[in-house]
Amino acid sequence: DTGVSQDPRHKITKRGQNVTFRCDPISEHNRLYWYRQTLGQGPEFLTYFQNEAQLEKSRLLSDRFSAERPKGSFSTLEIQRTEQGDSAMYLCASSLALPAQETQYFGPGTRLLVL
Amino acid sequence: GDSVTQMEGPVTLSEEAFLTINCTYTATGYPSLFWYVQYPGEGLQLLLKATKADDKGSNKGFEATYRKETTSFHLEKGSVQVSDSAVYFCALRGELTGGGNKLTFGTGTQLKVEL
Repeated sequence: DTGVSQDPRHKITKRGQNVTFRCDPISEHNRLYWYRQTLGQGPEFLTYFQNEAQLEKSRLLSDRFSAERPKGSFSTLEIQRTEQGDSAMYLCASSLALPAQETQYFGPGTRLLVL
Repeated sequence: GDSVTQMEGPVTLSEEAFLTINCTYTATGYPSLFWYVQYPGEGLQLLLKATKADDKGSNKGFEATYRKETTSFHLEKGSVQVSDSAVYFCALRGELTGGGNKLTFGTGTQLKVEL
C-alpha cells in the first residue's frame, strides 16, 4: 500500500512537553497539507507545502507550532509547550498540483492527548 | 470566507432505505466540491467530487450534483447498507487563484444503518 502514512498513530504527553509528528506522503505527490480535527468537528486547515516551500499557514497555527518539509518529501509537525487545548487528531494529506483536478489523499492521523 | 454547512446527525436508517445528507456552501467564484467518508477507526477517504456546476460525482452507489444556483452538493444513495455506517464530510476547495488550495470542511454527519 503506498498511501499517506503518519507516525505515531497515538501520542499521550504531559502539558508543557514538546511533541513531533511525521507524515510520509504518496511518493510522487508534491503538495502536502496538515489539518487538525477535534471531536465532532470537521478537519481544519493548518498549513501546506509545495515541494519544500511552506506556502500558506492558518491563523490556527500559533507560534508554538512549526512544520517543515526539508527535502520536499516527508514532513514534520512540532508542537512546543503543549497545552490541553492541543488535544486533537492531526491529519496529513498529499496531492499532485493539477489545476482544477487536485485531490487530497489523507493519512490515518495522529491522535494527540495532552494531560 | 468559505464555509460549508451540513445537516446534523446522527442519521439513523434501516438497511435499503434512501439516504440524503444535505450540504450547502458559501464561497466566491466556482469552488470544487467533495464528499469524504470516515469509517470507524480509519482515515478520511475521498468518496466523490465535482469540479464545476452541474457536474455529478458518483462512487459506490453514492451521488451528488453540484448545484450552483442553490449552492448545494447533497449526497444521495438509493439503498444504504450496514457497511455504509460512517461519518460523511462535505468539503470545498476555493476557486484556484494561485495560492490557497486548502479544503474547508463541514462538521460531518454520522450515518448509522441498522438491519
